[in-house]
Amino acid sequence: GAVVSQHPSWVICKSGTSVKIECRSLDFQATTMFWYRQFPKQSLMLMATSNEGSKATYEQGVEKDKFLINHASLTLSTLTVTSAHPEDSSFYICSATPLREGTDTQYFGPGTRLTVL
Amino acid sequence: QKEVEQNSGPLSVPEGAIASLNCTYSDRGSQSFFWYRQYSGKSPELIMSIYSNGDKEDGRFTAQLNKASQYVSLLIRDSQPSDSATYLCAVQGGSEKLVFGKGTKLTVNP
Repeated sequence: GAVVSQHPSWVICKSGTSVKIECRSLDFQATTMFWYRQFPKQSLMLMATSNEGSKATYEQGVEKDKFLINHASLTLSTLTVTSAHPEDSSFYICSATPLREGTDTQYFGPGTRLTVL
Repeated sequence: QKEVEQNSGPLSVPEGAIASLNCTYSDRGSQSFFWYRQYSGKSPELIMSIYSNGDKEDGRFTAQLNKASQYVSLLIRDSQPSDSATYLCAVQGGSEKLVFGKGTKLTVNP
């Protein structure tokens, strides 16, 4: 149990375009999902916390108008990178916490590698 | 600023040896502690969670927590080449957010 999927697994786009990444919890419901970004040889940096039915909470320094997050259901959150630029090229990973009493463990999706040309 | 510190390594051990990974954290109010394994180019995979002082064993893995010293460790017994990865220590406080260390790269030599 506790499987999280992401789609696409990798994407290449031109500078100035927008890219949408989906994060799904496959066998559990999650009121909270998290979006991380990881640059080469660095650790995961939390970008935002996504709550079902409400606005996402962004970490300091993360532009909310550039990284649009929608958490439409208990099993789906999306991250849209708007007007992407080469510096946005990174490994984007989502995680989710099962809506079960007594657990706060985050399970990670397989990640989406974004390359902006 | 909540911080989690890990030795970046690389830590190199021979196959069959015990690998010891250490982590310290700054927020004394932290309540939940996790070890994740991350292979190159992949996302983190949960190995263990620990919430109370002492040891917690799961197969070849043992997590140790000392809240007074703000210290968490992970021991890997009978290390295998497949254990070669970066190990991330993550700490959770009152909110659901995880704070990650930079990771320790472990290499197990056949």
